[in-house]
Amino acid sequence: DVKVTQSSRYLVKRTGEKVFLECVQDMDHENMFWYRQDPGLGLRLIYFSYDVKMKEKGDIPEGYSVSREKKERFSLILESASTNQTSMYLCASIVSGKDFSPLHFGNGTRLTVT
Amino acid sequence: GENVEQHPSTLSVQEGDSAVIKCTYSDSASNYFPWYKQELGKRPQLIIDIRSNVGEKKDQRIAVTLNKTAKHFSLHITETQPEDSAVYFCAASRGGATNKLIFGTGTLLAVQP
Repeated sequence: DVKVTQSSRYLVKRTGEKVFLECVQDMDHENMFWYRQDPGLGLRLIYFSYDVKMKEKGDIPEGYSVSREKKERFSLILESASTNQTSMYLCASIVSGKDFSPLHFGNGTRLTVT
Repeated sequence: GENVEQHPSTLSVQEGDSAVIKCTYSDSASNYFPWYKQELGKRPQLIIDIRSNVGEKKDQRIAVTLNKTAKHFSLHITETQPEDSAVYFCAASRGGATNKLIFGTGTLLAVQP
């Protein structure tokens, strides 16, 4: 069974801090994603990586960057955290080259920026 | 831009009743429509999906229908049980890229015992 692990379940950071959210998957998936989940807004794609060192902006990339140095790890970086980035962050992975495969999500990181 | 609208945002039903959640998509090239269920405090998980060459798909108590002409698809849950209580998200592929999804805003389903 695919396992997607997010390093922190809860994080509290201060405005202006640099924040790293880490995600690791154990199924050798090429594609990895970061989503943001807010009530009434669903799941919105922040960034997408289709291979090591490859990344693509999603729908709401402003204020975020990502790093994919190894295939199994995909990091989301908030360069200077702001209160409007308080949210639930979900990492996901999917096998590439196989249409109609399901997304495998992590358990999420609830980030509070004060 | 590409968009998926989902209704209702909340739905409360009595145990044993049916529940229907509807979604509308904007990208006429979308060809894959999965549904994810997220129980409280847990990760979203795929429960059923449908491809654009099929009009309906069933899996025990859940079914999904697709109307490509109208660009809408629906999730039907029959004989609801308390364990069906969760947030349900519909999604549509971005064009033919079935690994890249646009999600709806979610429906909180509460099944009252």
